[in-house]
Amino acid sequence: DQQVKQNSPSLSVQEGRISILNCDYTNSMFDYFLWYKKYPAEGPTFLISISSIKDKNEDGRFTVFLNKSAKHLSLHIVPSQPGDSAVYFCAASAPFNKFYFGSGTKLNVKP
Amino acid sequence: DSGVTQTPKHLITATGQRVTLRCSPRSGDLSVYWYQQSLDQGLQFLIQYYNGEERAKGNILERFSAQQFPDLHSELNLSSLELGDSALYFCASSVVSGRDEQFFGPGTRLTVL
Repeated sequence: DQQVKQNSPSLSVQEGRISILNCDYTNSMFDYFLWYKKYPAEGPTFLISISSIKDKNEDGRFTVFLNKSAKHLSLHIVPSQPGDSAVYFCAASAPFNKFYFGSGTKLNVKP
Repeated sequence: DSGVTQTPKHLITATGQRVTLRCSPRSGDLSVYWYQQSLDQGLQFLIQYYNGEERAKGNILERFSAQQFPDLHSELNLSSLELGDSALYFCASSVVSGRDEQFFGPGTRLTVL
């Protein structure tokens, strides 16, 4: 049972434009969400997180938006850079519970 | 470099065999997590240990087992291997537990022939 879904396996964006990666979840108990970035031959690295008490969290070029009513979160990267090309995973957890990861979206930023 | 090390990097074995994957967490981290990533799948949580004790269990098969030793390194044992066990196995560590940021190792790629 996929409780966290990333329905777009891949996304291609021009350098300098905005990248929007989407993630949907089904469990209304989830209250903490994270995004991880993964380069080939490396493990995932933490990018940004958001708690359900907020609807937006920003860190430099990266902003995560949370829409609790729609059970949807998105990661915006502005402006996109070729070095951002990677696989992005979203993850979610409920209190005192493990994290559930999505299947990932492969972002390609074209120079 | 996350500070989490995993050995070996690659492992090729046959069906029915048993293998052991090893993970050393970041210095000071007490929690270790194991994940499986099959082809085109997300990271599937297998199991978590905290300071030597099992803390949480995910979709880990009965053929799989893990432990965390007093020096906090962890091993994931996979037995009676099947073709479908071929995957990337990641270890992650965090300072304590729960909502802490997890630091991932580079993974072990297991191929079962």
